[in-house]
Amino acid sequence: EDQVTQSPEALRLQEGESSSLNCSYTVSGLRGLFWYRQDPGKGPEFLFTLYSAGEEKEKERLKATLTKKESFLHITAPKPEDSATYLCAVLDNFNKFYFGSGTKLNVKP
Amino acid sequence: DARVTQTPRDKVTEMGQEVTMRCQPILGHNTVFWYRQTMMQGLELLAYFRNRAPLDDSGMPKDRFSAEMPDATLATLKIQPSEPRDSAVYFCASGPLGPNTEAFFGQGTRLTVV
Repeated sequence: EDQVTQSPEALRLQEGESSSLNCSYTVSGLRGLFWYRQDPGKGPEFLFTLYSAGEEKEKERLKATLTKKESFLHITAPKPEDSATYLCAVLDNFNKFYFGSGTKLNVKP
Repeated sequence: DARVTQTPRDKVTEMGQEVTMRCQPILGHNTVFWYRQTMMQGLELLAYFRNRAPLDDSGMPKDRFSAEMPDATLATLKIQPSEPRDSAVYFCASGPLGPNTEAFFGQGTRLTVV
């Protein structure tokens, strides 16, 4: 069965302490893998779309990478304002979306 | 400042009543999504449209939910009759280039069915 699994469920970091979030997936043909950030009480905010293994994208302190089985969201020298829930989703060749349950990131000053 | 607009922001209704949620996608976007988010289930895709035609609505309970796009500037999600288990935050999102690219979310409609 197609699915998306994110780990860890929650992550606490000190400001400046770099780390990575994981999104593993099993789908019938990947059309795209998406990363979103969601703050409490708000709608998700688009971060990246990745389409093929080996692809990387960067935005400020965030870098997303993709392999055939998983994606990583690397956070370099995070700041407290990076605290949020990070969601991963995939779109398969049948135009179906699958979402992970998210990683709640807390960055302490 | 282009944004997805959802109305109402909050809705409290009694079980059995019809609920209609509206979404104005960003002008020029051809893909519109409806999501539901709860603490227990997380974010779920209910349905999405491209060029106003439904591409996938398999996430939506067909017996009580319906989603339509009467025109390119309006998407609606209706629940009839509503049930307490429908209580959730419903998000609309729109995207400019199809489902496999970026999407921009509205602020959501918080629905409470009592």
